[in-house]
Amino acid sequence: AQSVSQHNHHVILSEAASLELGCNYSYGGTVNLFWYVQYPGQHLQLLLKYFSGDPLVKGIKGFEAEFIKSKFSFNLRKPSVQWSDTAEYFCAVFRIGGTALIFGKGTTLSVSS
Amino acid sequence: DTAVSQTPKYLVTQMGNDKSIKCEQNLGHDTMYWYKQDSKKFLKIMFSYNNKELIINETVPNRFSPKSPDKAHLNLHINSLELGDSAVYFCASRQEGETEAFFGQGTRLTVV
Repeated sequence: AQSVSQHNHHVILSEAASLELGCNYSYGGTVNLFWYVQYPGQHLQLLLKYFSGDPLVKGIKGFEAEFIKSKFSFNLRKPSVQWSDTAEYFCAVFRIGGTALIFGKGTTLSVSS
Repeated sequence: DTAVSQTPKYLVTQMGNDKSIKCEQNLGHDTMYWYKQDSKKFLKIMFSYNNKELIINETVPNRFSPKSPDKAHLNLHINSLELGDSAVYFCASRQEGETEAFFGQGTRLTVV
């Protein structure tokens, strides 16, 4: 079945550690890719998005993601996390020609100070 | 101004009741959605409307009925609420031809 997979269910890091969250999708054809963040008790906010062009995209708050077409991946990275990055992170895919964003199951990031 | 707004933000109700959640977007978008986020944080699409017409209806009990009076509004009515309906419901909108969706603040529904 077509899907979006996030490999890490729960990631625990200390402040200043580097972060990489994996995301893979199984859709063929052209896709647009997104990472959303949900801080505790809050709504979804867009971190970054990839449509075309440079496969390395930069988002807000120092986050970046790299699209690797051959691996159907769109991993999220941050060189140095902060306590305030504690949140749920969702990878989402919009298949061109489709009708809706499809989300991965999310990754809980806990950052200790 | 809030782009996608939902009311209420919190809803606590008893089993068997009927309730509605309202969503309005002021972005001029053509397409609106309802997503359900369960206790494990999984976001699953429920419905999608494009210009007041239903275009996605995932496997959702028919106790859930979306209503779109105009393209700026998409309400969700739930009949005979069950414990398993407890979740956070997110409304979202998207402009036709674009792929980025904008989300509301969510409605936390608790059925007791």
